[in-house]
Amino acid sequence: DAGVIQSPRHEVTEMGQEVTLRCKPISGHDYLFWYRQTMMRGLELLIYFNNNVPIDDSGMPEDRFSAKMPNASFSTLKIQPSEPRDSAVYFCASSLVPHMNTEAFFGQGTRLTVV
Amino acid sequence: GENVEQHPSTLSVQEGDSAVIKCTYSDSASNYFPWYKQELGKRPQLIIDIRSNVGEKKDQRIAVTLNKTAKHFSLHITETQPEDSAVYFCAASRDTGTASKLTFGTGTRLQVTL
Repeated sequence: DAGVIQSPRHEVTEMGQEVTLRCKPISGHDYLFWYRQTMMRGLELLIYFNNNVPIDDSGMPEDRFSAKMPNASFSTLKIQPSEPRDSAVYFCASSLVPHMNTEAFFGQGTRLTVV
Repeated sequence: GENVEQHPSTLSVQEGDSAVIKCTYSDSASNYFPWYKQELGKRPQLIIDIRSNVGEKKDQRIAVTLNKTAKHFSLHITETQPEDSAVYFCAASRDTGTASKLTFGTGTRLQVTL
């Protein structure tokens, strides 16, 4: 397995534009997580899914952010409209069923710059 | 919800010395405590983890200790090497059977100097 795959690796966009980040989890993993990483706030959990269903989106900063998981092999995080303060590295991670308390595998991340 | 605090935020040690990073957590039901290492520009990767049924775990030069009563756990790196330089994150989670999420500490930037 190639691991968790994110695209794009880098994204530069103008303020007000829509941004869509994509993630393909490891096959067979039931959980998918979206994190945002900044110098000031570290790794913040935005939202996570179990079997494609959103379980906890309390970390989503505001209504401009939305996430979907239409099937077990694909998820998107959308920001509309984007703002400069959204600039960060966004990581997607996946893991097996929770009762095994297993490792979360991270993708390479998407570095988003909003100018 | 869970709150994880991590100290120090930066740590500089000389090659060969030991490094210790400490974390505390708030949810007494947390039962899984992994540590992730993130090298510059790369993804976080698991280096060691510990579950609540043990107090200590070792893997070569790294070890983790857990004190459930005090709700704190620590990462110990012995005989540090330049390639240990990275940001280290602790995390905590609990298994409720239907929900599980990692709450991360704010990270420790470790610099191993020659």
